[in-house]
Amino acid sequence: AQSVTQLGSHVSVSEGALVLLRCNYSSSVPPYLFWYVQYPNQGLQLLLKYTSAATLVKGINGFEAEFKKSETSFHLTKPSAHMSDAAEYFCAVSDHSGNQFYFGTGTSLTVIP
Amino acid sequence: NAGVTQTPKFQVLKTGQSMTLQCAQDMNHNSMYWYRQDPGMGLRLIYYSASEGTTDKGEVPNGYNVSRLNKREFSLRLESAAPSQTSVYFCASSELQNYGYTFGSGTRLTVV
Repeated sequence: AQSVTQLGSHVSVSEGALVLLRCNYSSSVPPYLFWYVQYPNQGLQLLLKYTSAATLVKGINGFEAEFKKSETSFHLTKPSAHMSDAAEYFCAVSDHSGNQFYFGTGTSLTVIP
Repeated sequence: NAGVTQTPKFQVLKTGQSMTLQCAQDMNHNSMYWYRQDPGMGLRLIYYSASEGTTDKGEVPNGYNVSRLNKREFSLRLESAAPSQTSVYFCASSELQNYGYTFGSGTRLTVV
């Protein structure tokens, strides 16, 4: 089965600083990859997705992620953190049938004023 | 607004009680899913329905049953609730499997 590993369950950055949230997947064959964001007491919202069209994927709210096959990674970045970015972020990978998605354990992002 | 609607938002059950969590989507999506979210464990798939009339087990199906009532609705039933089923439950839907999900706002269930 597919799996994803998110390094760092908690990340703190200063407002205006670079945001880097790490995600590594298990498969050697490029799967479909996603990043979701969850604000307190809400469901998950899709930030961006990789579906093999381009290795650098741009999402909403200024986030982007780069697929690196050689590193089996799909790290999420944002050049300048904003207070409103404080949330929990989940990386997810689908299996090859697309019927099942496997989520990482999440990274809680704190933005310090 | 179009989306995924879950009811109820909060529920407290006693051990052994049963209940059904309801989920409906109005986006004409084929696939629907039930996940549970627990601290430190991310989201784990309970059951999914790839299309109307089909259901399949996910990673953690024990203690649950589902019904895909029609294309819009996908319910999750706990026949005999246990404290280990205390969790936040999310329903999601998807048009095509690799397009990503649209999630509902969740049901926070406590079993005492």
